[in-house]
Amino acid sequence: DAGITQSPRHKVTETGTPVTLRCHQTENHRYMYWYRQDPGHGLRLIHYSYGVKDTDKGEVSDGYSVSRSKTEDFLLTLESATSSQTSVYFCAIRPGLATETQYFGPGTRLLVL
Amino acid sequence: AQKVTQAQTEISVVEKEDVTLDCVYETRDTTYYLFWYKQPPSGELVFLIRRNSFDEQNEISGRYSWNFQKSTSSFNFTITASQVVDSAVYFCALSESQEYGNKLVFGAGTILRVKS
Repeated sequence: DAGITQSPRHKVTETGTPVTLRCHQTENHRYMYWYRQDPGHGLRLIHYSYGVKDTDKGEVSDGYSVSRSKTEDFLLTLESATSSQTSVYFCAIRPGLATETQYFGPGTRLLVL
Repeated sequence: AQKVTQAQTEISVVEKEDVTLDCVYETRDTTYYLFWYKQPPSGELVFLIRRNSFDEQNEISGRYSWNFQKSTSSFNFTITASQVVDSAVYFCALSESQEYGNKLVFGAGTILRVKS
């Protein structure tokens, strides 16, 4: 158990509404990541963070923003949700420089109608 | 750009059969890491193994074994004597180094169905 929680776990929203997903970790890890999972694509990186207020874009960052004001929380915001953002969103942490391994949270299933 | 290909979209086997999941990768890095993750029907992602590019030794863990061959850029995963509980989606991934931290590049996944 990597001590990662995601909230909400399920959400249904309408096109055009803002949505914020939260990733919370309990072990003070520096690196946190947001991925989305879609059939045929595996997981793709949206944004990641390498410290408080330090973030960078991933492969599929358009339409998403992130914030990290505390070590333990990494927020993913869809400013104006679209149907193409219907997906399963996973947060991950990397425990430290000694390992490249990432451990994943339970996921958030988002449906945009 | 780095890329991971899992050519097998779906595999069905009968319990107790051996099954191999293929993974082929592309990278320009000389130092890199390869991973396998399992996603059971419950949806979570479970880390199975990490292998670095300098270690080509095959690894065995119970019924699971991994064959890493740099010459063919492959990192294949074999389950011996498969069981119904092995039914899951399996992802191969490659670590891409960044200035800060690392990124994982995933293959599309292979759905494994083990029938009793």
